[in-house]
Amino acid sequence: QEHLVESGGGVVQPGSSLRLSCAASGFIFRGHAMHWVRQAPGKGLEWVSFISYDGVREYYADSVRGRFTISRDNPKNIVYLEMDSLRTEDTAVYYCARDLSYHYTYDLWGQGTLVTVSS
Amino acid sequence: QSALTQPASVSGSPGQSITISCTGTNSDIGTYKYVSWCQHHPGKAPKLMIYEVSNRPSGVPDRFSGYKSGNMASLTISGLQAEDEADYYCSSYTSSNTWVFGGGTKLTVL
Repeated sequence: QEHLVESGGGVVQPGSSLRLSCAASGFIFRGHAMHWVRQAPGKGLEWVSFISYDGVREYYADSVRGRFTISRDNPKNIVYLEMDSLRTEDTAVYYCARDLSYHYTYDLWGQGTLVTVSS
Repeated sequence: QSALTQPASVSGSPGQSITISCTGTNSDIGTYKYVSWCQHHPGKAPKLMIYEVSNRPSGVPDRFSGYKSGNMASLTISGLQAEDEADYYCSSYTSSNTWVFGGGTKLTVL
């Protein structure tokens, strides 16, 4: 069965760094691009970042560009989101999602991990 | 990267049909066929319901259908069922090599 499991969330202070991980199983990870999407408390979904299947292409939302870095380790079936200079407005549940190849959307989602940025 | 525009809420009785609109711009919905819809029950993983405007992934009932015209897309759910009550989000690929979501629509089944 296909699964995505996020980890690494927690409570941090503004200005801190945090690395999220998303472990994939049940499918050929190296064949799929991946996304990170977040949902702030009481708010809607917000797309955060994309990485191509081979890690060559990376794209970011304006709100995180320059502070967040997406990467992947295909042999380990893991995608990461390195978050630096965290702000209170980065507080959210962070989901990783698999890209539906050639269709530019997300067809498999994890359960999410909560990041709280607070002093 | 402004969010796509969706109504905050819609409601309908079991068996009825509802339509959720999603308005974008020429930089996203108006240019690309890559419009999708996902269903989100709070506390659970979102689920893809429609991709490329009107395609249903395997396992999604044909009660769910999608449409696009110009800068606007829509999701129609016919034969409403209690389990359809959830938040629904549209999403589109954009000309900036990014993706954008709508603000979400809360569907209440009366």
